[in-house]
Amino acid sequence: DSGVTQTPKHLITATGQRVTLRCSPRSGDLSVYWYQQSLDQGLQFLIQYYNGEERAKGNILERFSAQQFPDLHSELNLSSLELGDSALYFCASSVDIGQPQHFGDGTRLSIL
Amino acid sequence: LAKTTQPISMDSYEGQEVNITCSHNNIATNDYITWYQQFPSQGPRFIIQGYKTKVTNEVASLFIPADRKSSTLSLPRVSLSDTAVYYCLVGDIGYYGQNFVFGPGTRLSVLP
Repeated sequence: DSGVTQTPKHLITATGQRVTLRCSPRSGDLSVYWYQQSLDQGLQFLIQYYNGEERAKGNILERFSAQQFPDLHSELNLSSLELGDSALYFCASSVDIGQPQHFGDGTRLSIL
Repeated sequence: LAKTTQPISMDSYEGQEVNITCSHNNIATNDYITWYQQFPSQGPRFIIQGYKTKVTNEVASLFIPADRKSSTLSLPRVSLSDTAVYYCLVGDIGYYGQNFVFGPGTRLSVLP
């Protein structure tokens, strides 16, 4: 158990819809990362937050957004969903920038 | 942006030492190298992290040559439970806007 909690574990929805994925980092971790893992793209870094502020941005689509709240939990919002958004979405956290990341077990998103 | 390459798959037998190499030719000065292990339907799990030369912990060693253009994860005396996908991650420790680039992953199969 990494200590990182992601909810929900599974999500099934339709094209055009909007969903919110939630992540609770390990106790004491200030940095949160979001990744997308699909069969043909591997693990793709989306975005990183540190103590509530956006710190780094990767290959995140404009339809996707994220935030980190004062209690350090984070949410990833995906809108106008397309079939290609079906993937595993992982959240990771670390004590500080540059420290090893600890991953949750992901949210499996299926778009029908 | 550091791009990484790894062998797609490797086979080994129980009790053997396994070395997995990751190439990252355009690694930046601030980039650290981190290796993760991933089992099906689970998030990646941290194995080891290093910047240069050699790092060893209780489960693995990481060798990084002076030019830092590659790194080798060494797993001593593997067992069946080490069958997993292994990823190298090249990422910055603090420069704003940098990306975290995972390699394509190496699928290690340990045979009895």
